[in-house]
Amino acid sequence: ELKVEQNPLFLSMQEGKNYTIYCNYSTTSDRLYWYRQDPGKSLESLFVLLSNGAVKQEGRLMASLDTKARLSTLHITAAVHDLSATYFCAVDYGGSQGNLIFGKGTKLSVKP
Amino acid sequence: DTEVTQTPKHLVMGMTNKKSLKCEQHMGHRAMYWYKQKAKKPPELMFVYSYEKLSINESVPSRFSPECPNSSLLNLHLHALQPEDSALYLCASSQDFGGREQFFGPGTRLTVL
Repeated sequence: ELKVEQNPLFLSMQEGKNYTIYCNYSTTSDRLYWYRQDPGKSLESLFVLLSNGAVKQEGRLMASLDTKARLSTLHITAAVHDLSATYFCAVDYGGSQGNLIFGKGTKLSVKP
Repeated sequence: DTEVTQTPKHLVMGMTNKKSLKCEQHMGHRAMYWYKQKAKKPPELMFVYSYEKLSINESVPSRFSPECPNSSLLNLHLHALQPEDSALYLCASSQDFGGREQFFGPGTRLTVL
């Protein structure tokens, strides 16, 4: 069974702190995506990770992919309030499935 | 043009109504998707069209009927919906089917009374 597990599901942080969101998946894939969703809004693409060892950074967010461990991380550095949102990882199994399997999402709240 | 558009943004309908959701993209993508998202849950795939042919139907009730009139347009026809069908309906597109980044539209917030 294809499973994608994110943790934590809820994360309350103080501004200026660092934290990591984890995304584990059950079956081999070398394509993983991170999305951000603000309340009532659509999904905004953050990172596309397409190979083992891929690391991408944008501002205070950095994502990495370890396909051997079936693990991706989203690291937040010096959090600011504007980062408050729900973050989803999604694994692409391609082939005959050809669709994304989403994690349950991590709701991040950054407080002053 | 690098976006997916959806209309309407909000829709309120009764259980006996017939309505349609519309999605459009002009990125030359050949795969288009419908997702349903309930509050505080991840999106759930409903349908996939690849090269204007229905490729995946994730056991969606027949009260939801997709249509792909051409490579840029995707419709979702709604009939005799139930209150539990109230959700955010997201359209997405990708360059082709399988292994490609999906770009999401802004969604239609549907309320069934």
